[in-house]
Amino acid sequence: GENVEQHPSTLSVQEGDSAVIKCTYSDSASNYFPWYKQELGKGPQLIIDIRSNVGEKKDQRIAVTLNKTAKHFSLHITETQPEDSAVYFCAASKGGSYIPTFGRGTSLIVHP
Amino acid sequence: GAGVSQSPSNKVTEKGKDVELRCDPISGHTALYWYRQSLGQGLEFLIYFQGNSAPDKSGLPSDRFSAERTGGSVSTLTIQRTQQEDSAVYLCASSFGSWAGANVLTFGAGSRLTVL
Repeated sequence: GENVEQHPSTLSVQEGDSAVIKCTYSDSASNYFPWYKQELGKGPQLIIDIRSNVGEKKDQRIAVTLNKTAKHFSLHITETQPEDSAVYFCAASKGGSYIPTFGRGTSLIVHP
Repeated sequence: GAGVSQSPSNKVTEKGKDVELRCDPISGHTALYWYRQSLGQGLEFLIYFQGNSAPDKSGLPSDRFSAERTGGSVSTLTIQRTQQEDSAVYLCASSFGSWAGANVLTFGAGSRLTVL
């Protein structure tokens, strides 16, 4: 089955710096890669996603890149703010399966 | 409803007791998932329901865990004879269940279970 590795497990940055979280996947058939943000005491919430026919997608301060050949994808957050502090999960899924495979999560801490 | 609703939000129980956790998914979502999140851990898949199909129970850690979904809507996760290692946040999610792969899950806030 699919295996998703996520790094780092913890990331500490200063406000205004950029943050990058990286994930790799094992199943070349995976074609959809969402990112979820989990704030304290809440459930994960989708923040951005990318499909396999696209190499990069941006939404204001966040962007996701996908390298299908290398089977890795990354989340980039620019100009980080304290409210970006949360746990971020990457995931991978493919046609024919309803169940996404999640990474183990990255705890992002943005220091004011 | 507007979102996925879970109850109770917190549950403290004694070892050996049974517990039931409830999930009310978004209206119209055919797919429903249960995940477990232990302290500092990722999202552990437990069980998945899709429409009237037989559930995918491949993630249930033992036969003490079971779940049902009545009328294609509300779901109940039952843990029998609870153990301390069952302490975790139990998250429910629902989706439209896209077979094409672009399956966006909406999560509830979770039920925090503490077994003493």
